[in-house]
Amino acid sequence: DVKVTQSSRYLVKRTGEKVFLECVQDMDHENMFWYRQDPGLGLRLIYFSYDVKMKEKGDIPEGYSVSREKKERFSLILESASTNQTSMYLCASRTGEFYYGYTFGSGTRLTVV
Amino acid sequence: AQSVTQPDIHITVSEGASLELRCNYSYGATPYLFWYVQSPGQGLQLLLKYFSGDTLVQGIKGFEAEFKRSQSSFNLRKPSVHWSDVAEYFCAVGSSGTYKYIFGTGTRLKVLA
Repeated sequence: DVKVTQSSRYLVKRTGEKVFLECVQDMDHENMFWYRQDPGLGLRLIYFSYDVKMKEKGDIPEGYSVSREKKERFSLILESASTNQTSMYLCASRTGEFYYGYTFGSGTRLTVV
Repeated sequence: AQSVTQPDIHITVSEGASLELRCNYSYGATPYLFWYVQSPGQGLQLLLKYFSGDTLVQGIKGFEAEFKRSQSSFNLRKPSVHWSDVAEYFCAVGSSGTYKYIFGTGTRLKVLA
């Protein structure tokens, strides 16, 4: 079965810390995505990557950066964590064919204190 | 503007009753449409998708959805709901040539025994 694996289910970090969220997919997918999910706001796209070392900003990139050095791994970085970044973070991947739909990871619930 | 609207934030049905979750979209290009389900504490799982052909599509877990172009709708249905269907359901739209999908804000389903 194909998989998208997020390294942590739950994280608690302090304000000002640099935080790394890791995502690995085993499907050889070209496209990878980071979303955050908040009650009443649905899913909002932070960043996505359509190829190794290629990235584009999504709808809410402020305070975040990403890294994709290998095809299977897409990292989300919170440069200096703040309490308003407390959220559920979802990683997804997709083949280059747009109609296939995303495969999501199980999510990382991040709390910044 | 491109958007997806799920007008019902919460829906409660009795076990064994039928279910319909509404989704309306506003999209300039020919849409690819998706329904995802998120069980408590989990990531999102693809239920079904539509991109062409028969406007009634079958998905997993006994769900189906009907694409109605004239109404810009893609409503999700299930003839008989089970307690295990308790989850949040998200409608999403994308198209060929756009990397990201636009998600609705979700409908949370509660099932009464």
